[in-house]
Amino acid sequence: DAGVIQSPRHEVTEMGQEVTLRCKPISGHDYLFWYRQTMMRGLELLIYFNNNVPIDDSGMPEDRFSAKMPNASFSTLKIQPSEPRDSAVYFCASSFSGGGEQFFGPGTRLTVL
Amino acid sequence: TQLLEQSPQFLSIQEGENLTVYCNSSSVFSSLQWYRQEPGEGPVLLVTVVTGGEVKKLKRLTFQFGDARKDSSLHITAAQPGDTGLYLCAGLLTQGGSEKLVFGKGTKLTVNP
Repeated sequence: DAGVIQSPRHEVTEMGQEVTLRCKPISGHDYLFWYRQTMMRGLELLIYFNNNVPIDDSGMPEDRFSAKMPNASFSTLKIQPSEPRDSAVYFCASSFSGGGEQFFGPGTRLTVL
Repeated sequence: TQLLEQSPQFLSIQEGENLTVYCNSSSVFSSLQWYRQEPGEGPVLLVTVVTGGEVKKLKRLTFQFGDARKDSSLHITAAQPGDTGLYLCAGLLTQGGSEKLVFGKGTKLTVNP
């Protein structure tokens, strides 16, 4: 298996633009997680899905952020409109169980100018 | 406030030295995971400790879970330049029937040759 795949790896956009991050989890994993990592706040859980259903979105900063998982092999995280404070590395991870080992993708480095 | 406090935040040592990094909380965790993250990559699981007082060894790395399951430590013997990276602890919280992995901000370790 290729592991968790994220795209794009880097994204530079201007304030106010819509940004869509994509993730393909490891086949057979029932859980998918979206994280944001910054120097100031570390690795923060934004939202996670179990069997394509959002379970906990309490980490989503505000209504500008939304996430979907239309099927077991694809998820998106959308920011609309984007702001400079959204600049961070966004990670997608998947796992067999909610408390088990999480396998992380390489991340998307987002810069909002 | 950070649920899991890691210390030190930064550590720079010479090859061959020993070191210990700490992960502390006032919360009780079902289990605790340690990850290592290298620049430009996602975190990778090193070990999971489950039982209070548990000690696990991975070559030169020794992990300990506190008796009360609120804290953990990672000790590295005879550090090598290949040990350089960001070490993250993550505690598994069980709340209202759902499980959530909470990460510390990490200890950035640099081992100089």
